[in-house]
Amino acid sequence: DQQVKQNSPSLSVQEGRISILNCDYTNSMFDYFLWYKKYPAEGPTFLISISSIKDKNEDGRFTVFLNKSAKHLSLHIVPSQPGDSAVYFCAARPSNTGKLIFGQGTTLQVKP
Amino acid sequence: NAGVMQNPRHLVRRRGQEARLRCSPMKGHSHVYWYRQLPEEGLKFMVYLQKENIIDESGMPKERFSAEFPKEGPSILRIQQVVRGDSAAYFCASSPLDSENTEAFFGQGTRLTVV
Repeated sequence: DQQVKQNSPSLSVQEGRISILNCDYTNSMFDYFLWYKKYPAEGPTFLISISSIKDKNEDGRFTVFLNKSAKHLSLHIVPSQPGDSAVYFCAARPSNTGKLIFGQGTTLQVKP
Repeated sequence: NAGVMQNPRHLVRRRGQEARLRCSPMKGHSHVYWYRQLPEEGLKFMVYLQKENIIDESGMPKERFSAEFPKEGPSILRIQQVVRGDSAAYFCASSPLDSENTEAFFGQGTRLTVV
């Protein structure tokens, strides 16, 4: 039972353009959502998060949008840079716990 | 401020041997989580520990796997009688609190290969 889904395994965008990574979830008990970035042979690095009581959070080039009625969140990166090329994981946290439920990941390639 | 430290980075074991993976959380963090990433998959939660306590082990396989976080020293993930299917990257994460809106910080992982 995949509670957090990233339906696009890969995404390719041109440098300077917007990258949009999507994530869907099924559990209404998630109260916190996070995006992590991962390079090969390294651990995930935290990017940005959003509480379930908000619908948008912005940090520099990264913005996360949450649509609770659709159980959907997205990560926008603008402008995209070649150094953003990595695997991006969406994660959700059930309320009253610290564990995270991860999506399968989306590989982003930003072309110079 | 050192990050989450995992060792070894790479571990090769023959089938039937034991694997011990270590994780030292960030300074000031008292919550440790272990995740496993199989090839071409996302990270799967295994176990959540606080000092001397297992809080949630709902993701741990029923047999051969165990975890501890003693009062002193690192957290240990132990896999007995390893099989080829245990080959994966094992990541440890730590956080200061489990109920506040704080992110977990991950180590670089231990890549276990069972031959």
